[in-house]
Amino acid sequence: EIVLTQSPGTLSLSPGERATLSCRASQSVSSSYLAWYQQKPGQAPRLLIYGASSRATGIPDRFSGSGSGTDFTLTISRLEPEDFAVYYCQQYGSSPQGFTFGPGTKVDIK
Amino acid sequence: QVQLQESGPGLVKPSETLSLTCTVSGGSISSYYWSWIRQPAGKGLEWIGRIYTSGSTNYNPSLKSRVTMSVDTSKNQFSLKLSSVTAADTAVYYCARERGGSSGYYYFDYWGQGTLVTVSS
Repeated sequence: EIVLTQSPGTLSLSPGERATLSCRASQSVSSSYLAWYQQKPGQAPRLLIYGASSRATGIPDRFSGSGSGTDFTLTISRLEPEDFAVYYCQQYGSSPQGFTFGPGTKVDIK
Repeated sequence: QVQLQESGPGLVKPSETLSLTCTVSGGSISSYYWSWIRQPAGKGLEWIGRIYTSGSTNYNPSLKSRVTMSVDTSKNQFSLKLSSVTAADTAVYYCARERGGSSGYYYFDYWGQGTLVTVSS
């Protein structure tokens, strides 16, 4: 079973700063199977990145994803006030595992 | 614009069966995988399982013995049953559409707003 670990657990930054979020897998993951989501309080997760680096429809270009193998990164180039939220990475493993999510990184206002 | 809406009881007694339905609007339910995902308060996301419109299913191994999913294409709905629930099953339950298979990618592009299910006597 592939386990995802996200770091840091909490990232305290100011608007305008750059955020770098890490997602590490316990085994190699196909880049095609790695996605990132943003979740705000009381809301459903929102797809940001799929295929490790492809932005979903309507996602601003300040969000970018990179990585391969076991190490993946979500970067927010300049934090806007609406970007303060929890971010989850997700991977897909063939049956029977299915989908797993990382524990999340909270980006809060410093 | 595809929209998903969960419905079902918000309170379930311990040892009973949790039943939820997701209604898909703005698009056809056909030719996609549809998943259930849950999130206990203040915690992360857990994938419960998925169903294809043919009725084929895959379940999280940790929940497999208690989960049953079904689909009704005529109503554009799919459903979740989770048996023998305990307080540990208290969570917000989301339904979501999966993009995968022929696209080569696997992710969830549309989500319901979520419904809180509390297990308590």
